[in-house]
Amino acid sequence: EPEVTQTPSHQVTQMGQEVILRCVPISNHLYFYWYRQILGQKVEFLVSFYNNEISEKSEIFDDQFSVERPDGSNFTLKIRSTKLEDSAMYFCASRSGTAGNTIYFGEGSWLTVV
Amino acid sequence: SQQGEEDPQALSIQEGENATMNCSYKTSINNLQWYRQNSGRGLVHLILIRSNEREKHSGRLRVTLDTSKKSSSLLITASRAADTASYFCATDGVYGNKLVFGAGTILRVKS
Repeated sequence: EPEVTQTPSHQVTQMGQEVILRCVPISNHLYFYWYRQILGQKVEFLVSFYNNEISEKSEIFDDQFSVERPDGSNFTLKIRSTKLEDSAMYFCASRSGTAGNTIYFGEGSWLTVV
Repeated sequence: SQQGEEDPQALSIQEGENATMNCSYKTSINNLQWYRQNSGRGLVHLILIRSNEREKHSGRLRVTLDTSKKSSSLLITASRAADTASYFCATDGVYGNKLVFGAGTILRVKS
């Protein structure tokens, strides 16, 4: 079964450093998402991306965050200057078509900011 | 907010028993999805139920949806130790395309 793949699986970074989390969505999917889950808390929406632009973003997704689809397969989340509170599991997800289709998630990238 | 909220927060049962988890949400939805998460792992999609559906089955899973009460339930029959995980419901609104997750139910199945 096709799957969403994410790298790295775990990254430790110093506070203030830039981090790029990478995702390869399922190949024929059109909608892409980033979510995060702070340890022990609920899964929170960050941003959705469609047709090469952000379609929706949450309050969490401030100027420190950006997303990019640099080529036909990758979808990246960049955090410019990490803070301790950015420590979380970040999930990439994708969906094939319009609202109502299943959203498939990757295994996640653990980010630890020290 | 259209958040789904699950109850109970935690559930501990013996292998072979049935597990029922409930989810409530606040706004009109397009569909509701249930996901499983093993500790420290990704979100595995279990089942999607559309707003015009009332019940759906997949293997040992049965999901119901009551849009008048804005609630859903997930029933796992004949539970196994491998079912131990967190279970989340997630909704998307009529016009939105993102999912909003509830806090989840932690299920522990004892062998």
